[in-house]
Amino acid sequence: DAGITQSPRHKVTETGTPVTLRCHQTENHRYMYWYRQDPGHGLRLIHYSYGVKDTDKGEVSDGYSVSRSKTEDFLLTLESATSSQTSVYFCAISGGRGPYNEQFFGPGTRLTVL
Amino acid sequence: AQSVTQLDSQVPVFEEAPVELRCNYSSSVSVYLFWYVQYPNQGLQLLLKYLSGSTLVKGINGFEAEFNKSQTSFHLRKPSVHISDTAEYFCAVIVTGGGNKLTFGTGTQLKVEL
Repeated sequence: DAGITQSPRHKVTETGTPVTLRCHQTENHRYMYWYRQDPGHGLRLIHYSYGVKDTDKGEVSDGYSVSRSKTEDFLLTLESATSSQTSVYFCAISGGRGPYNEQFFGPGTRLTVL
Repeated sequence: AQSVTQLDSQVPVFEEAPVELRCNYSSSVSVYLFWYVQYPNQGLQLLLKYLSGSTLVKGINGFEAEFNKSQTSFHLRKPSVHISDTAEYFCAVIVTGGGNKLTFGTGTQLKVEL
């Protein structure tokens, strides 16, 4: 298994509070991604990173920000959580020599916003 | 923008029967195609991928898929399923020139019954 960990694994928070989710990898891969998974929607890309301090938006980025200060860590922040952000969040990494490579996924973080 | 369609949200099948999970994509440029499996309360695991070459690709756990460019399809098949194959299956695509970003289908829940 690819060396990807996510923390916390479960979190319950209240509307309006800030939340930060952490993704940590030990594979030294260049690309890191944050997805959210909701019933009927599959996985949707929130933000991704193609290097330290290099990030870009995905299809559902509103209300989320990210940071990557080190190769191994990719943080996802909900500045002011809303109930619509209740979801399961997955981090993924990819690397390799080719321009297009499969992504490896972490175990997920289940976030509930009350 | 590219999209991925998994028409069947649920597929029930008896153990030892064959199964086909359908996936169609829309893109006018070259694509790279993937199937992932998600077991309950776990992250996603790569089943197989098509990057180039033979259009019939074999993956783990006895699964295979065939890339059909004219029909823009990448259906997943297994000749004989087992109870342990019960899981959710996601088709995903990377479009050339679009960065290493995956677009996922909404998933197909495969339920294998005795």
